[in-house]
Amino acid sequence: GAVVSQHPSRVICKSGTSVKIECRSLDFQATTMFWYRQFPKKSLMLMATSNEGSKATYEQGVEKDKFLINHASLTLSTLTVTSAHPEDSSFYICSVRDRGTYGYTFGSGTRLTVV
Amino acid sequence: AQSVSQHNHHVILSEAASLELGCNYSYGGTVNLFWYVQYPGQHLQLLLKYFSGDPLVKGIKGFEAEFIKSKFSFNLRKPSVQWSDTAEYFCAVNANNNDMRFGAGTRLTVKP
Repeated sequence: GAVVSQHPSRVICKSGTSVKIECRSLDFQATTMFWYRQFPKKSLMLMATSNEGSKATYEQGVEKDKFLINHASLTLSTLTVTSAHPEDSSFYICSVRDRGTYGYTFGSGTRLTVV
Repeated sequence: AQSVSQHNHHVILSEAASLELGCNYSYGGTVNLFWYVQYPGQHLQLLLKYFSGDPLVKGIKGFEAEFIKSKFSFNLRKPSVQWSDTAEYFCAVNANNNDMRFGAGTRLTVKP
């Protein structure tokens, strides 16, 4: 199956700054990656679908100007939380869909804390 | 509305008890079904998946799930749980080749 690397695993930033989270598909080319957010004691909520070479598709209610997604290559998608606020503190997880099998592999997640 | 429902929010069992976690979905068309587990402090891991064929799917660590199309269900079972099964369990659905949607999750606590 796919191997997905997500970095950093933890980040603490000051309110008003921006944070970039990377998601890499290590062993195959991923045209599509997914970004999820997990609130404490809650399920994963799909934020956006990242498409290589084109604009990401955002879910309703997700601010595209706040959560910038760039999928510039077949192995890398980045999520940038811009002008972060404490309410953006959460666990962010990326996912890659294995080609042709519908199987999904998840990154290890990034714990963002905005202080 | 299309959704994935997990009715049990928190399940507490003693070791060796049998487990069944419910999952129902409301998507039509072709569905691929998954159960993921998240152990404390770890990332999501795939327990098992159903694409087609035998509706009784066996996964890792002794888990199994049964797809009942008429009931739109994909319940997770394990005959005898262990303390190490304490984790959060998520049911997920990929419908009509679209993205993955998750249930709210069920927290399982197994008492030693």
